[in-house]
Amino acid sequence: QKEVEQDPGPLSVPEGAIVSLNCTYSNSAFQYFMWYRQYSRKGPELLMYTYSSGNKEDGRFTAQVDKSSKYISLFIRDSQPSDSATYLCAMSAGGNTGKLIFGQGTTLQVKP
Amino acid sequence: SQTIHQWPATLVQPVGSPLSLECTVEGTSNPNLYWYRQAAGRGLQLLFYSVGIGQISSEVPQNLSASRPQDRQFILSSKKLLLSDSGFYLCAWSVKGPRRTETQYFGPGTRLLVL
Repeated sequence: QKEVEQDPGPLSVPEGAIVSLNCTYSNSAFQYFMWYRQYSRKGPELLMYTYSSGNKEDGRFTAQVDKSSKYISLFIRDSQPSDSATYLCAMSAGGNTGKLIFGQGTTLQVKP
Repeated sequence: SQTIHQWPATLVQPVGSPLSLECTVEGTSNPNLYWYRQAAGRGLQLLFYSVGIGQISSEVPQNLSASRPQDRQFILSSKKLLLSDSGFYLCAWSVKGPRRTETQYFGPGTRLLVL
């Protein structure tokens, strides 16, 4: 069993839809949770960072963490064609090395 | 502000040839540095990480090696490339110490095709 599981998709939605991207994990030591967005042929860029359980909102994006269920989500409201990308979840137990464990990534296409 | 550079952006190399990819970080000191490989349609595979000059940790056995000759320079090398070395290579950095946020910041990547 992988430490982090993420549905690879692809996920295709119409413009304006609400998108839900999800990851599950098995290591209860994970405390720090991130979402990265990666456009085709580009490096991943940090989208959201959360430390505790609960919700964190940034514009059209909401990150949700449920440590009891070992489940994290990223919601995108009013999705736009420019949101078409691969979304990677990442998490860490902390420590001096700063190593992250990544999900496989979910490819999202938002159709105009 | 901090920036991270990788070069070259694209590289086509024959099997058996050597490889050298370079990554430099500006605007920060004493970062943790990482090399990842991303195969087409797949997730990120951590290859090496470094917590300081000359300190390299390997995550998977492979045909590659890494070096950190300076604080903000990270080099990925191979003496003889294999077909399976093809992929998208990403360098990343993170803050170390009490100000760390456990996040990593990625460079633009190098696309390597071994023929």
